[in-house]
Amino acid sequence: QSALTQPASVSGSPGQSITISCTGTTDDIGVYNYVSWYQQHPGKAPKLLLYDVYHRPSGVSSRFSGSKSGNTASLTISGLQAEDEADYFCSSYTAISTFVFGGGTKLTVL
Amino acid sequence: QVQLQESGPGLVRPSETLSLTCSVSGGSIGSFSWNWVRQTAGKGLEWIGRISNTGSSNRNPSLKSRVTMSADTSKNQLSLRLISVTAADTAVYYCARMYFHVSSGTNRDAFDIWGQGTMVTVSS
Repeated sequence: QSALTQPASVSGSPGQSITISCTGTTDDIGVYNYVSWYQQHPGKAPKLLLYDVYHRPSGVSSRFSGSKSGNTASLTISGLQAEDEADYFCSSYTAISTFVFGGGTKLTVL
Repeated sequence: QVQLQESGPGLVRPSETLSLTCSVSGGSIGSFSWNWVRQTAGKGLEWIGRISNTGSSNRNPSLKSRVTMSADTSKNQLSLRLISVTAADTAVYYCARMYFHVSSGTNRDAFDIWGQGTMVTVSS
């Protein structure tokens, strides 16, 4: 199974919105709505932001939203804040009952 | 609140076996499904495998032949064994809980609680 494809980096200014894409195949994102997103600050464990494409666990800010079209899922962060500067990873369940992650995207808040 | 704590040797010689433990507190391991995930320096996350509360397991095909996962309910601990390690297995290893959606009473295909991770270096 191949890793999902994410842009290596994105950037935005405070208050702006950014979108991070996550491209898979018809064996993962394209066939299941089991995409999740994680935020990871340096030296910390990943934190679950979204599950099942766009659902937020309790306590996650509504500034984080998700969507999916075909084989590509997207994470949008609105009202960018300095604390959002981190690495972001997507994940998907696959047709062979495994999970695959994206390579990660580094978000820089300018 | 469920908390996870990984522990392991830190340094493993090439060709030897990596053994890690994940101690779970604040909840019974028999009530949830659990995963192992690793992260190499400069690279993304890699899912290693999952052991469910029914005892079944799934493993990453790329690691399947080298990975064994188990759960000890008496100690409330999870274990990971990776045989024949090489430098490519150098990574931070995490245990993570399969997200249990309380209101629906179902597991969701995401990882909601993670340990702090333990660094494992494979070197002679």
